Amino acid sequence: NAGVTQTPKFRILKIGQSMTLQCTQDMNHNYMYWYRQDPGMGLKLIYYSVGAGITDKGEVPNGYNVSRSTTEDFPLRLELAAPSQTSVYFCASSYSKGIYSNQPQHFGDGTRLSIL
Amino acid sequence: DAKTTQPNSMESNEEEPVHLPCNHSTISGTDYIHWYRQLPSQGPEYVIHGLTSNVNNRMASLAIAEDRKSSTLILHRATLRDAAVYYCILREGTYNTDKLIFGTGTRLQVFP
Repeated sequence: NAGVTQTPKFRILKIGQSMTLQCTQDMNHNYMYWYRQDPGMGLKLIYYSVGAGITDKGEVPNGYNVSRSTTEDFPLRLELAAPSQTSVYFCASSYSKGIYSNQPQHFGDGTRLSIL
Repeated sequence: DAKTTQPNSMESNEEEPVHLPCNHSTISGTDYIHWYRQLPSQGPEYVIHGLTSNVNNRMASLAIAEDRKSSTLILHRATLRDAAVYYCILREGTYNTDKLIFGTGTRLQVFP
């Protein structure tokens, strides 16, 4: 199994451009997440989804949008790129069986995004 | 969300045991203690988790204090591949979104 796959691995954008970061998982996980990691910091949650058709905001959702039309895919869209969105973006997934699930999250290798 | 406190960095020699401490004095009765690590240029990787009892798996051991206000991740024999940032995270046992709240973690250096 490939696990969690993110594309592209690197990208440079100009201010004001838009792009979509792709994330797909082949583990049939119901939960998926997007995080960003700024240099020297821990990860911050942007958006998450508990299943197809259901998404919700995390800690830092401003400037981003997500959709979840299938179990496998959870793309993250930047509509108007700003320098503050320069970061490494990680997608993750987990299988939750209920409120005491505590199943580990599986992460992709990240997309390094620079906005110039 | 409950918070954790970890040292910024620690050092170890290869093949020696490593004890990574974590303080979580405001932990609630339903919070699980999770550890993840992040190798350079990779996404975080799950290591271990526990609630009250000590836990062992193939990667590490987790020792939890009796009052649960602190815990220690134990790597029994450090290898160069264990050099990473280690995150101690409290995860609410009653909240269904499975969100992880990352701090800045402990950067472990392993010397040959």
